[in-house]
Amino acid sequence: KNEVEQSPQNLTAQEGEFITINCSYSVGISALHWLQQHPGGGIVSLFMLSSGKKKHGRLIATINIQEKHSSLHITASHPRDSAVYICAGLTSGSRLTFGEGTQLTVNP
Amino acid sequence: KAGVTQTPRYLIKTRGQQVTLSCSPISGHRSVSWYQQTPGQGLQFLFEYFSETQRNKGNFPGRFSGRQFSNSRSEMNVSTLELGDSALYLCASSFSASPSSYNEQFFGPGTRLTVL
Repeated sequence: KNEVEQSPQNLTAQEGEFITINCSYSVGISALHWLQQHPGGGIVSLFMLSSGKKKHGRLIATINIQEKHSSLHITASHPRDSAVYICAGLTSGSRLTFGEGTQLTVNP
Repeated sequence: KAGVTQTPRYLIKTRGQQVTLSCSPISGHRSVSWYQQTPGQGLQFLFEYFSETQRNKGNFPGRFSGRQFSNSRSEMNVSTLELGDSALYLCASSFSASPSSYNEQFFGPGTRLTVL
């Protein structure tokens, strides 16, 4: 069992739909990253959070420390949101442990 | 402010050779982390440097090594390359005010290494 697990692995949505990607972790973490990776490899950090909720534009990330669970929500999805979304827990100080990623495809 | 840069972007080597990859962090960032991404294993942590000292290390063989210079630029080296070392190698920098603080990481574009 991976220390950080994501679901679903693949997600296809229609433009405008509300999207949720889930992340569960079985290890102690001090913070959790949500990352976005586009084809070609470039990774962008979307959020780093250790409690509660953060919002950037159409993206919302929440974390429940007691339940060891985090969610990434995308409101009013758009084809340009198509990418791989990866959650990663900050463990052992500076070490990131990654989930397997969720491939999101948003169709027009 | 310029982002994290990595050189080279693409590299082809043969088994048994060694390779050195370079990472220049965002100005003012003292922490540099390295990651390996493969289709089979996903993203895995290699090591992290803070102010020229290795602060953390992942579960990779000793063939993988790194260092950080006084200007925070970092290099990683892989000796005796194996086919399985073919991967995207990413570095990320973060602003850490002290050895015990950890902040959001900003990723470079990566170096794609192919071992033949």
